Amino acid sequence: QKEVEQDPGPLSVPEGAIVSLNCTYSNSAFQYFMWYRQYSRKGPELLMYTYSSGNKEDGRFTAQVDKSSKYISLFIRDSQPSDSATYLCAMSGNTGRRALTFGSGTRLQVQP
Amino acid sequence: DAGVIQSPRHEVTEMGQEVTLRCKPISGHDYLFWYRQTMMRGLELLIYFNNNVPIDDSGMPEDRFSAKMPNASFSTLKIQPSEPRDSAVYFCASSPRQGAGETQYFGPGTRLLVL
Repeated sequence: QKEVEQDPGPLSVPEGAIVSLNCTYSNSAFQYFMWYRQYSRKGPELLMYTYSSGNKEDGRFTAQVDKSSKYISLFIRDSQPSDSATYLCAMSGNTGRRALTFGSGTRLQVQP
Repeated sequence: DAGVIQSPRHEVTEMGQEVTLRCKPISGHDYLFWYRQTMMRGLELLIYFNNNVPIDDSGMPEDRFSAKMPNASFSTLKIQPSEPRDSAVYFCASSPRQGAGETQYFGPGTRLLVL
């Protein structure tokens, strides 16, 4: 079993829809939770990060962490065609080890 | 800032050949990471350096893979001999000392095809 599980999709939604992307994890040592966005043929770029549990909002994007359920989510409001990309969750512990453990990514397609 | 620079962007080679991938991290970043991305296995960490010193190479698949960082502005990932199963996109990323490593800046990747 992988440490981080993520539905690969693809997920196709109409423009303006609310999108929900999720990851589950098994390692209770994870403390930092990130969402990276990867456009086709590009490297991933950091979208949002959250430390420990709770919510974080940035414009149309909201990240949620539920450590009791080992479940994280990314919500995209008023989705746009430009949001079409692969979204990867990533996690790390608080041990000084800088490596990130990535989910496999969910491919999102927003139809105009 | 030019961001993380990788070369070559594409590489096609034949099985058994040596492949060298190159990376220039963002100036001032203390950490450098090498990842491999495939459809089957996703994004996997191969090795990372702190101040040019390898810290964790547990993701390096086998002895055919080696990585070096001779100075703060240059790193190489070498595969010798290459095999078809090494075909993947190889990313280099760097991050600053501050924080817990959550912000990693990725290069554009090198698409490797081993025939």
